[in-house]
Amino acid sequence: QSALTQPPSASGSPGQSVTISCTGTNSDVGGYNYVSWYQQHPGKAPKLIIYEVNERPSGVPDRFSGSKSGNTASLTVSGLQAEDEADYYCVSFPARFGGGTKLTVL
Amino acid sequence: EVQLVESGGGMVQAGGSLRLSCTASGFTFSADWMTWVRQAPGKGLEWVADIEGDGSARQYADSLKGRFTVSRDNVKNSLYLQMNSLRVEDTAVYYCARNLGFHRLDSWGQGALVTVPS
Repeated sequence: QSALTQPPSASGSPGQSVTISCTGTNSDVGGYNYVSWYQQHPGKAPKLIIYEVNERPSGVPDRFSGSKSGNTASLTVSGLQAEDEADYYCVSFPARFGGGTKLTVL
Repeated sequence: EVQLVESGGGMVQAGGSLRLSCTASGFTFSADWMTWVRQAPGKGLEWVADIEGDGSARQYADSLKGRFTVSRDNVKNSLYLQMNSLRVEDTAVYYCARNLGFHRLDSWGQGALVTVPS
């Protein structure tokens, strides 16, 4: 079960938009519309913020959006806020996890 | 409100065994897949195992097969992870999560720390 590839870090200033990529293969990301994204603050459990590529659970701000093209999924955070500073992980069926991206709000 | 509470973590010597528990409330436990995910100190998330609602189907990360066993007791609303032949590299926080299908993990426990000292 190979991991999905994410950039180790990303950054942006408050109010800006940032996009985090998640690259897999046609056996995972490219083969299914089942990519989810999780936000994790230090010392806390992960929180689901996007599922099925671009669906948001109730309570997640619409500043968070997801998309997919081929074998690469993306998470975009618009209107960056200080509380968005966290680690972000992508997960694709079947049980492929990304290595995580640390998002810094400058 | 969905709640998941892990217990059973601790320090165990290499080669030893430990069983983690996850007690669920706030939803129909027997209806949902459940998943164990772990996170080594300073590292990313790693999938460990899944189990179907009735316990009939179980899936494991290739690297853990044969050492870890996932099970559940739907009467007690509890999920378990039996970990045998523990290694230093198994040191991690272990999370249980409700799996709404295709690894949509919508609710997570607070995590249980397992330490296998070198």
